[in-house]
Amino acid sequence: DTGVSQNPRHKITKRGQNVTFRCDPISEHNRLYWYRQTLGQGPEFLTYFQNEAQLEKSRLLSDRFSAERPKGSFSTLEIQRTEQGDSAMYLCASSSDRDVGVEQYFGPGTRLTVT
Amino acid sequence: AQKITQTQPGMFVQEKEAVTLDCTYDTSDPSYGLFWYKQPSSGEMIFLIYQGSYDQQNATEGRYSLNFQKARKSANLVISASQLGDSAMYFCAMREGLGNQFYFGTGTSLTVIP
Repeated sequence: DTGVSQNPRHKITKRGQNVTFRCDPISEHNRLYWYRQTLGQGPEFLTYFQNEAQLEKSRLLSDRFSAERPKGSFSTLEIQRTEQGDSAMYLCASSSDRDVGVEQYFGPGTRLTVT
Repeated sequence: AQKITQTQPGMFVQEKEAVTLDCTYDTSDPSYGLFWYKQPSSGEMIFLIYQGSYDQQNATEGRYSLNFQKARKSANLVISASQLGDSAMYFCAMREGLGNQFYFGTGTSLTVIP
């Protein structure tokens, strides 16, 4: 397995536009997470899926953000009406209940720049 | 209160020397997991090591070991025999109980000097 993949790796958009990111987790992983990382900070949790069910959402996830994992495999994160404050690295991670620590494996991230 | 505190914004170490990166945590849950990740300039977070709160022994993975002091709520990462490729940001993280989100610290930037 090649690990968690994310597309696109970079996205530049104008304020007010909608953007969508995709995450493909490690194939046997049933858990999927989205995080946001701004410059000089650690990742901040956004949301969590177990299979196709979205079980947890952070208050950081405003109404403009929506995430889906329709078939329990890949996931998408959409940001509507982007704002300059949305500029960040968006990280996806996956994990398996079979791992002792249920450690999360991260993708390379999508760097969003809102101009 | 911050759940994870990393007080060293930047550290330097001579190649082949050992270095300790500090991490303290705050939780009232008796069951938790502690993790360290490496983030090179490419941006990808690389899992290094895990320590469970009930583990009796300190975790080790190759050149990485976790100095777990439960009473002091610290989980320091020790990197032995530093290599140039170890230069990166290092993040400490915690999962509380059966929770799903990880709480990350602000990271420590490690530079290995030849």
